[in-house]
Amino acid sequence: DQQVKQNSPSLSVQEGRISILNCDYTNSMFDYFLWYKKYPAEGPTFLISISSIKDKNEDGRFTVFLNKSAKHLSLHIVPSQPGDSAVYFCAAAYSSYKLIFGSGTRLLVRP
Amino acid sequence: EAGVTQFPSHSVIEKGQTVTLRCDPISGHDNLYWYRRVMGKEIKFLLHFVKESKQDESGMPNNRFLAERTGGTYSTLKVQPAELEDSGVYFCASSQDRGTGESPLHFGNGTRLTVT
Repeated sequence: DQQVKQNSPSLSVQEGRISILNCDYTNSMFDYFLWYKKYPAEGPTFLISISSIKDKNEDGRFTVFLNKSAKHLSLHIVPSQPGDSAVYFCAAAYSSYKLIFGSGTRLLVRP
Repeated sequence: EAGVTQFPSHSVIEKGQTVTLRCDPISGHDNLYWYRRVMGKEIKFLLHFVKESKQDESGMPNNRFLAERTGGTYSTLKVQPAELEDSGVYFCASSQDRGTGESPLHFGNGTRLTVT
């Protein structure tokens, strides 16, 4: 049973607009959430994270929101750029070291 | 700083054969992890080393998989004998501290294993 779910396998957005990627989780013991970006033939690259004691973390164009009551987090990219086109993985951690990944959302930013 | 290096990048073997994947972590990173992505699904944890010791191998599918990290530097993951369902991309990752948001995992580019 998947503990971290990304229900949208793909998302297409116009350049300059906002991209919103969603992630749901089931385990209330998770204490850290992370987003990774993956280009073809490359490994995942860390993008941004959030501790379970926060509800928002921002880094440049990227903002992650955490709603613990709904067990939901989202990644906002504003403005979206063609170079953001990649597969985005949501991941959750407890006991700090073991990441549980979602199945990924493929983002396409159209010029 | 050199990143996590994995070799080979691709491997095609027949069912029943043996394959050994290698991972060189970032220098100085005591924590080394193996993950696997099958058929475009989620990336799944296989095991975690701290230096040469296995901390958690709860994700290893079965006893056909053997991971080692002699001397606490590079690691190998051997699959023997390989089965069709072992096909996928095997990622290695390392971190200086136990991976959290402050010390996230650094992934290699993966080894794509195809078992025919």
